[in-house]
Amino acid sequence: AQKITQTQPGMFVQEKEAVTLDCTYDTSDPSYGLFWYKQPSSGEMIFLIYQGSYDQQNATEGRYSLNFQKARKSANLVISASQLGDSAMYFCAMRETKGAQKLVFGQGTRLTINP
Amino acid sequence: KAGVTQTPRYLIKTRGQQVTLSCSPISGHRSVSWYQQTPGQGLQFLFEYFSETQRNKGNFPGRFSGRQFSNSRSEMNVSTLELGDSALYLCASSLELAGVGTGELFFGEGSRLTVL
Repeated sequence: AQKITQTQPGMFVQEKEAVTLDCTYDTSDPSYGLFWYKQPSSGEMIFLIYQGSYDQQNATEGRYSLNFQKARKSANLVISASQLGDSAMYFCAMRETKGAQKLVFGQGTRLTINP
Repeated sequence: KAGVTQTPRYLIKTRGQQVTLSCSPISGHRSVSWYQQTPGQGLQFLFEYFSETQRNKGNFPGRFSGRQFSNSRSEMNVSTLELGDSALYLCASSLELAGVGTGELFFGEGSRLTVL
């Protein structure tokens, strides 16, 4: 069965520093997709970045990059130059291709950026 | 381009009642999925609809049901509400069923249900 593990319940980072949020996953399907979402207090899940299991290069989207280490089954999110507005819950999620739009989420990491 | 719209945003019900939540996907998106978010269980998949057909269903009791209309709008219904059904219910829409591109899911702001 699929499983996503986020081992950091909370993180505190100084503004402008880089931060790495950890995510490990488990699946027996060779084809899968990995996502990171941001959830501010309003509740909306905001898509940040996606990595396909066959993608050769790590995904990047502006200040977000995904450190994909397939052999270790890890997909860490790196946020460069953190901003106060980055304070939120962050969720790692996985979709198996055969599972269509079903995502399995980790428990999340609450990131707090200090001024 | 309008995002995913969920109504109502907040609602309070009592045990034993039923509730219907609505989700309007992004224009052109034919896949709609629902998730339940609670502090204890986190985010859990409820079900997914594509072209008015239920494609996947999560591990929830039969009290939870849904449907999708020809315009891709979706509703989910919870009957005989229990205290444990208090949660944020999130709807997501996507352009593809699977495969090509990211097939990324765009989420709405959710409907926060409180059961007293």
